[in-house]
Amino acid sequence: QVQLVESGGGVVQPGRSLRLSCAASGFIFSNYGLHWVRQAPGKNLEWLAVISHDGTRTHYADSVKGRFTVSRDNSKNTLFLQMNSLTYEDTAVYYCPKPRGGDYDPFDFWGQGALVTVTS
Amino acid sequence: DIQLTQSPSFLSASVGDRVTITCRASQGINTYLAWYQQKPGTAPKLLIYAASTLQNGVPSRFSGSGSGTEFTLTVTALQPEDFATYFCQQVRSYPLTFGGGTKVEIK
Repeated sequence: QVQLVESGGGVVQPGRSLRLSCAASGFIFSNYGLHWVRQAPGKNLEWLAVISHDGTRTHYADSVKGRFTVSRDNSKNTLFLQMNSLTYEDTAVYYCPKPRGGDYDPFDFWGQGALVTVTS
Repeated sequence: DIQLTQSPSFLSASVGDRVTITCRASQGINTYLAWYQQKPGTAPKLLIYAASTLQNGVPSRFSGSGSGTEFTLTVTALQPEDFATYFCQQVRSYPLTFGGGTKVEIK
């Protein structure tokens, strides 16, 4: 069955960096564009980024453009999110949901999320 | 960016009630709309995609309708496990966006 396991979260000071990983299984990883979505405590869902199935194309939300970089390793079925210049507003649970099909499909599987806490 | 406005943001209902949640898009998105259910401490669960198609395994008491800019999620005969927060999402264009959520609580 489909599994998505986010890791790499933790407590970090403002201005520092963190790299999240998302290990995927149960589907043909290299066939899917993949996304990052976050949810701040008690807040709405926020889409952050997408990377195409082959890693050649990316899109970012304005809130993270220039600070976050999404990448993937199709040989290891793993998605990454490099987060630089973190601010308090980046405190959230980060998810790497799988779309049903193409780049314009909603997300049919989600992991448990990785909690990132930015605090001094 | 396409903004999604959900209403109401909070809804109090009883088991067995029929509830309707509305999602309005700031521009036409055809039927590129999905609905999710989220319970505290868990990831969202896809209920409906393409505005009205029920995701596999989702009970038939959930239904969606609409196209263009106005969409609705209806739950007929609300069950105890349906008390949760519901979000709409547009997948018409990047950046993908979500509605602000509707929390359905027990009256």
